[in-house]
Amino acid sequence: DQQVKQNSPSLSVQEGRISILNCDYTNSMFDYFLWYKKYPAEGPTFLISISSIKDKNEDGRFTVFLNKSAKHLSLHIVPSQPGDSAVYFCAASLYQGAQKLVFGQGTRLTINP
Amino acid sequence: KAGVTQTPRYLIKTRGQQVTLSCSPISGHRSVSWYQQTPGQGLQFLFEYFSETQRNKGNFPGRFSGRQFSNSRSEMNVSTLELGDSALYLCASSQVGAGGYEQYFGPGTRLTVT
Repeated sequence: DQQVKQNSPSLSVQEGRISILNCDYTNSMFDYFLWYKKYPAEGPTFLISISSIKDKNEDGRFTVFLNKSAKHLSLHIVPSQPGDSAVYFCAASLYQGAQKLVFGQGTRLTINP
Repeated sequence: KAGVTQTPRYLIKTRGQQVTLSCSPISGHRSVSWYQQTPGQGLQFLFEYFSETQRNKGNFPGRFSGRQFSNSRSEMNVSTLELGDSALYLCASSQVGAGGYEQYFGPGTRLTVT
């Protein structure tokens, strides 16, 4: 029972363009959402998060959008840089600060020069 | 500050054996969580320990167990290994209760069961 889904296993984007990574969830009790980035041979690192009371959160080149009615969130990276090439995981929790995170399967983003 | 460290980084075991993985959290972090990552499944939550007590548990069989010591270091144990236990095991630490909830992950232990 996959409660958090990332339906695109991979995404390829030209350097300088916008990267959009998508994530859907099924559990309406989820209240807090996070994005993590993972390079090979390293653990995931926290990127950005959003509470269900907001529909947008921005941090530099990264913006997360949340559509609660559609149970959908997306991560926008503008402009995309070669160093952004990594696997991106979205995750959800029942509240901010909850240590039990439910992760999606990940999307491998490749930024082409 | 040193990051989260996990030992060993790589491990090969045979079906039926047991294995113990170790995680040292960031200094001052009291919560340690464990996740299993397999291809196509993302990261799946195993359990969380805080102040030597298991606070949360995921949907894994009883063969998976863990513990936390007074210095916050944690171990997880898998008994009677199965081929399907081959995975990357990640631990994450968090301050929790000291104004910081973000989880910091270690590099993981790659377990191969043959």
